[in-house]
Formats: sequence, C-alpha cells, structure tokens
Amino acid sequence: DTAVSQTPKYLVTQMGNDKSIKCEQNLGHDTMYWYKQDSKKFLKIMFSYNNKELIINETVPNRFSPKSPDKAHLNLHINSLELGDSAVYFCASSPWGGRLEQYFGPGTRLTVT
Amino acid sequence: GEDVEQSLFLSVREGDSSVINCTYTDSSSTYLYWYKQEPGAGLQLLTYIFSNMDMKQDQRLTVLLNKKDKHLSLRIADTQTGDSAIYFCAVPGQDSGYALNFGKGTSLLVTP
Repeated sequence: DTAVSQTPKYLVTQMGNDKSIKCEQNLGHDTMYWYKQDSKKFLKIMFSYNNKELIINETVPNRFSPKSPDKAHLNLHINSLELGDSAVYFCASSPWGGRLEQYFGPGTRLTVT
Repeated sequence: GEDVEQSLFLSVREGDSSVINCTYTDSSSTYLYWYKQEPGAGLQLLTYIFSNMDMKQDQRLTVLLNKKDKHLSLRIADTQTGDSAIYFCAVPGQDSGYALNFGKGTSLLVTP
C-alpha cells in the first residue's frame, strides 16, 4: 500500500537516449510534483501539476516533458539525455493548497553515461 | 523566489542535543517543514509547524519558529546514531503552486 511509487528505481542509459520515469500516488491528492536532487544533494522543483494541469515549469529544458494521464499519475519523459541529467528524481504529491505535507516517492537514480 | 538557507554540516556526540537552523525569505509561508533523508533513501517528513505557532514538540523533536526573524530550528533531544542523516528545511513557494523550496540540507553526523 505504497503511497507514492516510482519506477524504475535505477536507470542507467547512454547519452542521446530517450527515457521515461513513472510515478503513481494512491492518496487521492490533486497535486503532483517532480523534483531533481543533484550530486550535492540539492533539491529543486522541476514541475508541478494540479488535476492534470501544469502549474509550474521551473526553467527546465524542454527535453523534459511531464505527462499526467490522470490525477494519480505524473510521468516524466526525457529526450536526448545528457550527462548533466544524472541525478535522483523524486516524485511527490499533496492536497491542493499546500496545507498539508508533501509525500515523496523513493526516488529514481538516473545515470547517464 | 524563496531562499532557504541552512548550515551544511553538524557533528554531535550520541546522547547530546542537536540543533539545526534554517532561515527563509518569504514571510507569507503558512507551513514550514523538516524532512529527513538517510543515505540512499527518499525523503521522510519529520515534522511541520504552522506559521501561527512558535513551538511544536513531537517526542524527541522540537521545532521553534521565529516569524519576525524568519528563523526556523529543529532540535533533536538525546541524539542517536540512527539520527545521522541529511535534514532539509522546506518552505512552500506561494508563486510556485505550493512546490517546496528546500534548503541545501544539513548533514548530521552522530558519533558514539
């Protein structure tokens, strides 16, 4: 009964490839997020979706395209992967309004070689 | 955007108290959070405090909030080796769909 799940947990791929990371939440939350944690452990918001609609896109290259087929899922597709994309990507969800805490998925460690 | 600042490292001896400090810039934030990240693991919500509170206590954890100075602290009493982790202060951004702005994280090392 995992609240926020992500697949895969680890992803190793070569530069130039296209890959996707999937995220699902079973909490009934309206809002979902993608965060990136770099090698120095700095966490930064990438995207925020509320009820399948994009709320924010924080200066993320357009090689990154989130897709929300329904409000329980927010997938992240990355085109033409670059070395600098190597990081841990966290999905999170919360009720709309930020009045309660965000629940995070376990993370996907992406390594681009 | 929101700036959230934390010191990067803290080392304490087992049994002592740990205090991790955080400062932020957006005074309209209504909730402020502390997350814990153990090595190789995800983010675990430790506690949060409403902006109309000065203090919140939850077992060994005490959160203090000084809204005037925009200063938040997390105190861990009787620190154990299992408390060794990175602790993140996080503040929702009002102009970012309530996405969290994180501090750079404080690495807490607890030595026997």
